[in-house]
Amino acid sequence: GQQVQQSPASLVLQEGENAELQCNFSTSLNSMQWFYQRPEGSLVSLFYNPSGTKQSGRLTSTTVIKERRSSLHISSSQITDSGTYLCATNTGANTGKLTFGHGTILRVHP
Amino acid sequence: AQTIHQWPVAEIKAVGSPLSLGCTIKGKSSPNLYWYWQATGGTLQQLFYSITVGQVESVVQLNLSASRPKDDQFILSTEKLLLSHSGFYLCAWLGDQNTLYFGAGTRLSVL
Repeated sequence: GQQVQQSPASLVLQEGENAELQCNFSTSLNSMQWFYQRPEGSLVSLFYNPSGTKQSGRLTSTTVIKERRSSLHISSSQITDSGTYLCATNTGANTGKLTFGHGTILRVHP
Repeated sequence: AQTIHQWPVAEIKAVGSPLSLGCTIKGKSSPNLYWYWQATGGTLQQLFYSITVGQVESVVQLNLSASRPKDDQFILSTEKLLLSHSGFYLCAWLGDQNTLYFGAGTRLSVL
C-alpha cells in the first residue's frame, strides 16, 4: 500500500525564518492534501494539491508527481505557525481514505 | 457554508463501558462521511466511511461500529471499550475536488 514519509520529523525556527517541509510517497496518487494540526488535535486543511504549485499567503505547496514528492514552504515564520504539519495522499476508489504521514512538528521561537 | 460538529469534545470512560460519539454536518446535502482515529503518537487512519443513509463500510477492525441514521449524522459506537480505543476521533466530510474537511474531534481516554 501507499507509504507517506515526512521530513524533518521536527523543526525549530526563529521567528521570521523560512521552513521547507517534505513529503515523499511510494505510489502514484489521486490526491494530495496538506493539513495543519493544532496542539489540541483539530485539523485545518491548508492545500489540496495533487500536482503543481499553489500559494496561499505565506504558504506555498509544490507537488511533483513523477518524483513522488510534495513540499510545503512557509515563509517569514510566525510564532502562531507552531504545530504539526501533516501531508496525506489518496490512491484508491475510496476517495475519502487518506494515508497520512507522521507529520513535522514545527516550533517557532521569538 | 458547511459546518461539522462533533460531540462530546472529550470523554473519560472505564474499560468495558459503552461509547457513543456523534458527528453532524450542516449545509451539505448527502455528504460522504468518514471516521478517523489517531492513537497517541500515531498517525491518523480511516475507520469507517458512509456514502448514504443506512450504509456504512468498515475500513479497519477495531471492535467499533458506525451508523448513519440520518443524512447529516454519523455515529461511532461500541458496547465494550478497550484500553486500545483511547485516542483522538475525527469525523470528516468530502468537499469539492476530493478535499477532506475535519471536525474538531473527540479526545477519548479509556481507563
